[in-house]
Amino acid sequence: DTAVSQTPKYLVTQMGNDKSIKCEQNLGHDTMYWYKQDSKKFLKIMFSYNNKELIINETVPNRFSPKSPDKAHLNLHINSLELGDSAVYFCASSQDGRVTDTQYFGPGTRLTVL
Amino acid sequence: DAKTTQPPSMDCAEGRAANLPCNHSTISGNEYVYWYRQIHSQGPQYIIHGLKNNETNEMASLIITEDRKSSTLILPHATLRDTAVYYCAITAFNTDKLIFGTGTRLQVFP
Repeated sequence: DTAVSQTPKYLVTQMGNDKSIKCEQNLGHDTMYWYKQDSKKFLKIMFSYNNKELIINETVPNRFSPKSPDKAHLNLHINSLELGDSAVYFCASSQDGRVTDTQYFGPGTRLTVL
Repeated sequence: DAKTTQPPSMDCAEGRAANLPCNHSTISGNEYVYWYRQIHSQGPQYIIHGLKNNETNEMASLIITEDRKSSTLILPHATLRDTAVYYCAITAFNTDKLIFGTGTRLQVFP
């Protein structure tokens, strides 16, 4: 069983389009995250949710909107895609979002904006 | 946010210990040190974490200097499957927000 899963694995789209990436975790965790990894492999947190409530919101353009329908799912919707949005997006989850809780990462979604 | 600095790459012979350093000179007292690794294009995988004491688990050991300004991840007997990018990360201000470094690409050779 996959602990943290993401769909799709690859996403190729045109500039200006709107797209969504889905994430699901079956670990029973309360906290979920979105990270962005750029072409230089730099990994940076974007958002975190605890039990469907937004906790961390880094300086991310408001074209990015996370949505958590329940605590097992955290989707990422991106409006008006730009070339600079091309990256690998990772979802992660942790038990309670405490500083000592291990974060478990999904396999990533490679987004390419043309 | 505290930052981490890592060498971009290292080599290690199979069966030998791999010692991966991380500098975090601006770390605060309640910020944890975490290590993750990323094999090829997979998602980051947790290895170990610590605050000020040395830690060991089935994967690795973490040595944190007394002043906490640097740490070393030790893979005691590196195998070819340990070839990966190893990230040192700091939790920001007693939160679960992980600030990742730029990573060290470890190449284990036969």
